[in-house]
Amino acid sequence: GESVGLHLPTLSVQEGDNSIINCAYSNSASDYFIWYKQESGKGPQFIIDIRSNMDKRQGQRVTVLLNKTVKHLSLQIAATQPGDSAVYFCAENPQYNAGNMLTFGGGTRLMVKP
Amino acid sequence: NAGVMQNPRHLVRRRGQEARLRCSPMKGHSHVYWYRQLPEEGLKFMVYLQKENIIDESGMPKERFSAEFPKEGPSILRIQQVVRGDSAAYFCASSPGTSRTDTQYFGPGTRLTVL
Repeated sequence: GESVGLHLPTLSVQEGDNSIINCAYSNSASDYFIWYKQESGKGPQFIIDIRSNMDKRQGQRVTVLLNKTVKHLSLQIAATQPGDSAVYFCAENPQYNAGNMLTFGGGTRLMVKP
Repeated sequence: NAGVMQNPRHLVRRRGQEARLRCSPMKGHSHVYWYRQLPEEGLKFMVYLQKENIIDESGMPKERFSAEFPKEGPSILRIQQVVRGDSAAYFCASSPGTSRTDTQYFGPGTRLTVL
């Protein structure tokens, strides 16, 4: 069932350190994954995506790792900055989707200490 | 190039009233998605539309909720006879094409409060 009213898991890091945010998915049919960043009062902002034929993809200061064996996705943020403070969601798009709807995970709150 | 636009940003309704939420996709995008987000939770898919067509409404409640994306004008999410449980943030996203890997870009959301 749905988890209603639970607090988001929080990751607290020091400015300048690297951050690793994890996401577990359960649908082995998923072949496309996206990370979104959501700041307070705003809509989700695309960060990076990865297809299942890849294990790793790098962007500017961010890296996404995909482990299909254990159905695990991670987002690594290098040299974390105060502006990185936000809630981070992973989303997946299973192969069987007739449409393009995304299934979102529960989110992780990243807090960056100056 | 303007992003996805939603209005109003905040909407307050009393129980039993109607709520109309509007979404203008990014320029050149013909695919619109609506999601709902409760506090401290992830987004839940509601409906996927293309111009004048509902492609997938599997996430939308069968009663009181409807969506449209007319040939001209914004996409509208309509909630009739609102109840307190409808209070949430409603986000619209748009994408340019039909590929499953086309990036969905989100608007700022409409925060609906039902008194």
